[in-house]
Amino acid sequence: DIQMTQSPSTLSASVGDRVTITCRASQSISSWLAWYQQKPGKAPKLLIYKASSLESGVPSRFSGSGSGTEFTLTISSLQPDDFATYYCQQYNSERGFGQGTKVEIK
Amino acid sequence: QVQLQESGPGLVKPSGTLSLTCAVSGGSISSSNWWSWVRQPPGKGLEWIGEIYHSGSTNYNPSLKSRVTISVDKSKNQFSLKLSSVTAADTAVYYCARDPGQQLVRGWFDPWGQGTLVTVSS
Repeated sequence: DIQMTQSPSTLSASVGDRVTITCRASQSISSWLAWYQQKPGKAPKLLIYKASSLESGVPSRFSGSGSGTEFTLTISSLQPDDFATYYCQQYNSERGFGQGTKVEIK
Repeated sequence: QVQLQESGPGLVKPSGTLSLTCAVSGGSISSSNWWSWVRQPPGKGLEWIGEIYHSGSTNYNPSLKSRVTISVDKSKNQFSLKLSSVTAADTAVYYCARDPGQQLVRGWFDPWGQGTLVTVSS
């Protein structure tokens, strides 16, 4: 099965910072990758699919890039509402998630 | 827009069977979408359990396949999860979700239900 590894596990940042989260796959998954945001006690929310396609209604400060085995989620200017945990998910073979990256206030 | 709502017992005894239902509103379960179950143990990450199409076709996570059954009830516009021989390790928030993709371009999840906590304990 395909293993998904996110880094870092925790990220401390300030409002206005540019934030980048990396997701690596154990084998090529082409562009079959999604990103989600999850806040405590809530269901995950889709941000990005097909590696770089922004879901409707998601602010343009979120962007995704990459293909093959290495992917990034970038928040261009961190806002107070963005402090949350972020997960990547591959859908090249079955479905699998990264372990999550918690973005916390610095 | 499509909304999903999980329901079922919040407490299941060890070695028993966990049973949950996901009601779909604002859309038809017979649309050209697959429907999934995902779980999240307290304080941990997300794990895909499996998916179903309205025809009854299913795909399961190999790590859970021997214990999982997902079924669909088109007359009630809902789908269900059964997980047998549960242990404390199956304690988690269980989410249902729609795959908005079509045909061969699919595999991500949106929307999600709010989730329901199932605790395995005697």
